[in-house]
Amino acid sequence: DTGVSQDPRHKITKRGQNVTFRCDPISEHNRLYWYRQTLGQGPEFLTYFQNEAQLEKSRLLSDRFSAERPKGSFSTLEIQRTEQGDSAMYLCASSPKIPTGGAGTGELFFGEGSRLTVL
Amino acid sequence: AQSVAQPEDQVNVAEGNPLTVKCTYSVSGNPYLFWYVQYPNRGLQFLLKYITGDNLVKGSYGFEAEFNKSQTSFHLKKPSALVSDSALYFCAVRDIRTGANNLFFGTGTRLTVIP
Repeated sequence: DTGVSQDPRHKITKRGQNVTFRCDPISEHNRLYWYRQTLGQGPEFLTYFQNEAQLEKSRLLSDRFSAERPKGSFSTLEIQRTEQGDSAMYLCASSPKIPTGGAGTGELFFGEGSRLTVL
Repeated sequence: AQSVAQPEDQVNVAEGNPLTVKCTYSVSGNPYLFWYVQYPNRGLQFLLKYITGDNLVKGSYGFEAEFNKSQTSFHLKKPSALVSDSALYFCAVRDIRTGANNLFFGTGTRLTVIP
C-alpha cells in the first residue's frame, strides 16, 4: 500500500498520560500536515512540515503538543498530559513537492486517522 | 481570513435523483477549492478541485462541481445519486494569495441516498 499510514488507529488513555502518534506519508511527498477532527466538525489544521522543517503551526497547537519530522520522512505528534478535550481524530496528510516556479494545487492525501479517547 | 461554509448538515436524496451539496467560500484572493469525501472508518478522499479555467469541474465517481465567482459558491453535484454515495462531504479552500499551504475545511454535509 503506497498511501499515507497512521499508527495507532485507536488509542484510549487516561487523563494526564502522554500519547504519541506516527504518520508515514507517501514516499515521494515532501510536505506533511497534521489535522484534528472532532465530532461534527471538519478537519482543523494543526501543523505543516516541508521536509524536516516545521513551517506552520496553528494556534490550536498548545504547548502540550509537539510534532517532529526528524529525517523528512515519517512524523510523530506527541500530546503531553492529555486532557479530555484532546479526544479527537488526528489526521495526517501529505502532498507532493511543488515544481520550481509553480504554486502547487494544494491537494492533500489523507491517512485514515488516529482516534484518541481520553478518559 | 479564509473560510468555507456548508449550510446543510444533512442532505437526503432518493436513489437515481440528482444531488447537490452546497458550499460557499470566503477568501481575500483567488481560491483553490476542493471537495473531499469521508466514508465510515476511512480517511478523507479527494473528489475534485477548482484551480482556474472552466467553471464546471469534473471529478471522481461521477461528481462535478460548479465554481461561481459572483456567488462565491462551489456546489457539488451529481446527475444520478447512488446508495453508495452516502457519506460525509467536506468542502475546502486554499487561499493562494496568502501562500498558505494548508486547506481550510467546512463543517461537512452528511449525504444520505435513500434506496
